[in-house]
Amino acid sequence: QVQLVQSGAEVKKPGASVTVSCKASGYTFTNYYMHWVRQAPGQGLEWVGVINPSSGATSYAQKFQGRVTMTRDTSTTTFYMELSSLRSDDTAVYYCARGLRVAVEWGYFDYWGQGTLVTVSS
Amino acid sequence: EIVLTQSPGTLSLSPGERATLSCRASQSVRSNYLAWYQQKPGQAPRLLIYGTSSRATGIPDRFSGSGSGTDFAFTISRLEPEDFAVYYCQQYGSSPLTFGGGTKVESK
Repeated sequence: QVQLVQSGAEVKKPGASVTVSCKASGYTFTNYYMHWVRQAPGQGLEWVGVINPSSGATSYAQKFQGRVTMTRDTSTTTFYMELSSLRSDDTAVYYCARGLRVAVEWGYFDYWGQGTLVTVSS
Repeated sequence: EIVLTQSPGTLSLSPGERATLSCRASQSVRSNYLAWYQQKPGQAPRLLIYGTSSRATGIPDRFSGSGSGTDFAFTISRLEPEDFAVYYCQQYGSSPLTFGGGTKVESK
């Protein structure tokens, strides 16, 4: 069965960077896009970006351009999202979420990780 | 960027009643690529509907979706106790992918 297991909660100071990991299993790692979505406390869902695990190509929402980097390690079937220059309004739960097959569309999200709370506070 | 506006913000209903949620897009959603998710407190969202009206694997048939272009609807035919949650629409027809602000379905 498909599983996405994320790393644990993080507390960071403003200006620091954070890296969240997402270990994928139960399917062919390179066949499906992986997205990152965040949710601030009590707020809605916000798409951060997507990575093609086969090529490593990425696309980020404009508001995160220059601050976010998505990578993958095919040997360990793990995805990573690094967010730098953290601000207090980056405090949120960050989810990895599987998209569609890479030959198709970025798609909707059929499997989600459990979420990682990132708290930015001085 | 396509802005999705969900209404109402909150829907107060009793078990057994019908729930109808709306999702309106600021411009036409390509190929009606619209999905719906359910989220309960402390949990990740769960995919219910994709492609406007296709139910995801294992989703009961009391959940349905309809619409096209800029106007979409999501219906729960008869509310079960476990259906009280927040529901989000999401378009995946164009970049950036965007979500609506959510509709909370609460027990009256």
